[in-house]
Amino acid sequence: QEQLQESGPGLVKPSETLSLTCTVSGGSISNHYWSWIRQPAGKGLEWLGRIFTSGTTNYNPSLKSRITMSVDTSKNQISLRLSSVTAADTAVYYCARARTSGYDLWGQGTLVTVSS
Amino acid sequence: EIVLTQSPGTLSLSPGERATLSCRASQSVSYYLAWYQQKPAQAPRLLIYDASNRATGVPARFSGSGSETDFTLTISSLEPEDFAVYYCQQRNTWPLTFGGGTKVEIK
Repeated sequence: QEQLQESGPGLVKPSETLSLTCTVSGGSISNHYWSWIRQPAGKGLEWLGRIFTSGTTNYNPSLKSRITMSVDTSKNQISLRLSSVTAADTAVYYCARARTSGYDLWGQGTLVTVSS
Repeated sequence: EIVLTQSPGTLSLSPGERATLSCRASQSVSYYLAWYQQKPAQAPRLLIYDASNRATGVPARFSGSGSETDFTLTISSLEPEDFAVYYCQQRNTWPLTFGGGTKVEIK
């Protein structure tokens, strides 16, 4: 059974870079789009961006030049880097698989808190 | 970006009742709209894609309709496990966006 698992530091200092990894198990990362989506506590969902396994990306313009996504097919992993973080970046971060039907497979999410 | 407005914010209903949730887009998204269910401390779950297609394993009591700017998710008869927050999401235009959610709570 395919599963996604996010990992990374739960606490990041303001102005530093948030780095998360999503590991795909039970299936191949290839030939899919993968996205990062976040959710501040008690709030709605925000789409951050997507990456195809070829490395092609689309990002949310609201994040301007702060976001970078990458893929490592040898490790079945997708990564997220978000620079110059502030308290507004505190959220649960999900990775999810995108099909034409929608996001059909999600990780459990990982809470990242931005605080000094 | 396309803004999705969901209404009502909260729906208070009893098990067995019919739930009707609305999602309105600030501009046409054609039929490229999906619905997700989210329970506390869980990731969202895909229910409906392309406005009216049920995702794999989704019970038939869930149905979606609409096109362009107005969409509806209907739960024909609420089961106890259906009380949750529901989000719509459009994939017609970058960036992809989600609605603010409708909470279906037990009356």
